[in-house]
Amino acid sequence: AQSVTQLDSHVSVSEGTPVLLRCNYSSSYSPSLFWYVQHPNKGLQLLLKYTSAATLVKGINGFEAEFKKSETSFHLTKPSAHMSDAAEYFCVVSSRRSQGNLIFGKGTKLSVKP
Amino acid sequence: DAGVIQSPRHEVTEMGQEVTLRCKPISGHNSLFWYRQTMMRGLELLIYFNNNVPIDDSGMPEDRFSAKMPNASFSTLKIQPSEPRDSAVYFCASRLAGGAYNEQFFGPGTRLTVL
Repeated sequence: AQSVTQLDSHVSVSEGTPVLLRCNYSSSYSPSLFWYVQHPNKGLQLLLKYTSAATLVKGINGFEAEFKKSETSFHLTKPSAHMSDAAEYFCVVSSRRSQGNLIFGKGTKLSVKP
Repeated sequence: DAGVIQSPRHEVTEMGQEVTLRCKPISGHNSLFWYRQTMMRGLELLIYFNNNVPIDDSGMPEDRFSAKMPNASFSTLKIQPSEPRDSAVYFCASRLAGGAYNEQFFGPGTRLTVL
């Protein structure tokens, strides 16, 4: 079975400081991993995805994530937070075994203080 | 491309009424997904279609929920009769053929309130 655990339900950072949103996954098969962002009252937007190519994945808005198989982790980072980054972030796993269906984590709400 | 289109964006109804949510996927996408998002349960997959055929509806909570996809460009999710616990945001998403490695594109959602 596949699962995703987002280790923090809420992260608060100051503008200009680094962001780290943690995600661990469980999958018996080669997974695809995604990070989606949801701004208030909006739909979900893809930030980045890992599909067995480079382990360091760069996404939109300066975000990146590193796939670490040994740690079963896919943490999302950004060097410098911006006020517009305040949103909820979802780590998601998928695999051919699940027919590509997405398994969502519970989400991490990111707050950015001025 | 206009992206995934959902209507209505907001729906307020009274318990017992029928509710129909609509979705237009991105042109050329052959998989369509319906999700429900609540504070308590997060994002849940309700049902998905491949080439207009329902593949897995195990996430549909009860017989009160039904979904159809009469053609490649339109899908509905119907709740009859609606109950207050159905209040949630319902998302539709679509995906291009290719399975696990292609991301799903989400619509803006329909916020349903059942009084």
